[in-house]
Amino acid sequence: SYEVTQALSVSVALGQTARITCGGNNIGSKNVHWYQKRPGQAPVLVIYRDTKRPSGIPERISGSNSGNTAALTISRAQGGDEADYYCQVSDSNTVVFGGGTKLTVL
Amino acid sequence: QLHLQESGPGLAKPSETLSLTCTVSGDSVRNIGYYWGWIRQSPGKGLEWIGNIYYSGATYNPSLESRVTISEDTSKNQISLKLISVTAADSATYYCAGSTVTTTFDQWGQGTLVTVSS
Repeated sequence: SYEVTQALSVSVALGQTARITCGGNNIGSKNVHWYQKRPGQAPVLVIYRDTKRPSGIPERISGSNSGNTAALTISRAQGGDEADYYCQVSDSNTVVFGGGTKLTVL
Repeated sequence: QLHLQESGPGLAKPSETLSLTCTVSGDSVRNIGYYWGWIRQSPGKGLEWIGNIYYSGATYNPSLESRVTISEDTSKNQISLKLISVTAADSATYYCAGSTVTTTFDQWGQGTLVTVSS
């Protein structure tokens, strides 16, 4: 079965840029989606199909996907961006989530 | 605007069957362009996909496939999850989610906490 790998944690200084990655074999050939998950709240889709933003998601949140790595980039990081972030792909009619990355804004 | 609401017992005993319901308002669960899924998160763990139901049928996480059934009730506009032979490892917050305009889960319910304990 297909597997995707995420770092457990990423830290970013307030106002700086955070990059959260999602690794997988030739993940660049798949559509990657990203979710923000805050404690006690439902996940929120922040990026779909590699680079697209749903309505209401700010432009400082962006995505990329090439080769074996997909990435979620959060520019001008704010305290409200502190959350767990999960990548997700589909493979052979199954859905695969990454293990999640905890983003800390310092 | 679509709204999803999960419901079900907050407590289940080991070996029992867990049944959860997701009531969808704002559109029909049989909209041919949509699909629905169940995802769970155990305490301190990540998101785990349970399964999806499409207009044409359902697909399941291979690790849960032998114990899970997802179905729809169009008369009530609901999506249901049935998980048999539960154990403590099935204790989690269960989310219902829908894919409407993005090809992935763009609509989520608030989640329902299920504890498996005798």
